[in-house]
Amino acid sequence: QSALTQPASVSGSPGQSITISCTGTSSDVGAYNYVSWYQQYPGRAPKLMIYAVNNRPSGLSDRFSGSKSGNTASLTISGLQAEDEADYYCSSYTGGSRALVFGGGTKLTVL
Amino acid sequence: EVQLLESGGGLAQPGGSLRLSCAASGFTFSDFAMIWVRQAPGKGLEWVSAISGTSSHTYHADSVKGRFTISRDNSRSTLYLQMDSLRVEDTAIYYCAQQIRGQWLTPGVCWGQGALVTVSS
Repeated sequence: QSALTQPASVSGSPGQSITISCTGTSSDVGAYNYVSWYQQYPGRAPKLMIYAVNNRPSGLSDRFSGSKSGNTASLTISGLQAEDEADYYCSSYTGGSRALVFGGGTKLTVL
Repeated sequence: EVQLLESGGGLAQPGGSLRLSCAASGFTFSDFAMIWVRQAPGKGLEWVSAISGTSSHTYHADSVKGRFTISRDNSRSTLYLQMDSLRVEDTAIYYCAQQIRGQWLTPGVCWGQGALVTVSS
């Protein structure tokens, strides 16, 4: 059950768009549309932002969007705001192990 | 309002045991698979275990297989995680979460506030 690969950090200025990548294998990200993204502030529980690759939970801002190509999934945040500064984690089901794997997390800094 | 409230965290010695509970309210508990996720201090998220709504299927990460057992009591709307043979590396905040319908083993919008488990001699 190897972790998915995310960049350790990304940054952007208010109003800009950023993309966080999440690279797995043909056994997880590439095999299933069970990719999700979570936002986490320090000391708080994670919050679901995207599920099933590109679906937003009800009420979530459409500034957040997801996509997938091959073994790599991506989270794009458009119109960056100061409140978006947080850690972001991707996850994917892995059928071989019947488990869920998370990425190592990406710290987003809004400059 | 949908709520999950963990309890049972604390200090345990290596080789010891603890049982976490997660009390659910605001939804039909038996309709949802449930999940445990943990986060070691300063580290990322790690999926631990999952259980189907009827308890017919359970899943565990390799790192806890054979040591941790997930269970539930639908009459009490409560999820459990029995942790045996604890190791120092099991030290983490443990979150319970409701699974997204149709998304294998994937935590959804509802998470508990977390319970801290510290394993130390």
